[in-house]
Amino acid sequence: DGGITQSPKYLFRKEGQNVTLSCEQNLNHDAMYWYRQDPGQGLRLIYYSQIVNDFQKGDIAEGYSVSREKKESFPLTVTSAQKNPTAFYLCASSPWGTTNEKLFFGSGTQLSVL
Amino acid sequence: DQQVKQNSPSLSVQEGRISILNCDYTNSMFDYFLWYKKYPAEGPTFLISISSIKDKNEDGRFTVFLNKSAKHLSLHIVPSQPGDSAVYFCAATSNTDKLIFGTGTRLQVFP
Repeated sequence: DGGITQSPKYLFRKEGQNVTLSCEQNLNHDAMYWYRQDPGQGLRLIYYSQIVNDFQKGDIAEGYSVSREKKESFPLTVTSAQKNPTAFYLCASSPWGTTNEKLFFGSGTQLSVL
Repeated sequence: DQQVKQNSPSLSVQEGRISILNCDYTNSMFDYFLWYKKYPAEGPTFLISISSIKDKNEDGRFTVFLNKSAKHLSLHIVPSQPGDSAVYFCAATSNTDKLIFGTGTRLQVFP
């Protein structure tokens, strides 16, 4: 059953703590993306990767970091430098490695600050 | 600067009637447009798309219309069903550039 798996579904962060959101895909897609959704706002791009061991900043990369060591995995770390981390985080992938193709999304992680 | 705008945050439609969701864009370089549907606590799913070389694309109950001169696109759902109740995002892109999403319109279809 192919798809994108995000974990955990809910995550709580304490002040000053780094947390990592997991994203795994078995679709054999080249490109992967992280988006953030806030109430009343569209999806904003945090980071994206079109190939293993390479990634680019999106529109709101400050306070976040990523890695792409494997084609299947694209974890997102929310660092303590991100002052407003509470949001719904979505991971996505696309098959052709260009950033404008149809995206397939995971089910999301809701991050909240304690 | 919001390049893709969905000016109606919500829309309420009776079951069986037509739902029309609107989207405006400012970047004339955009040449490919998509609609996504999102249920609460889930990721968006692709619904329908249209290339700038067309002015209409139809898929079952869903039709997307593109008016390039007005930089406007719309999604028509006919007939609307309760299962269509969700948030709808339009998105736009130009060749090899990243997708830009609108802020979404929450559609509620009532019996």
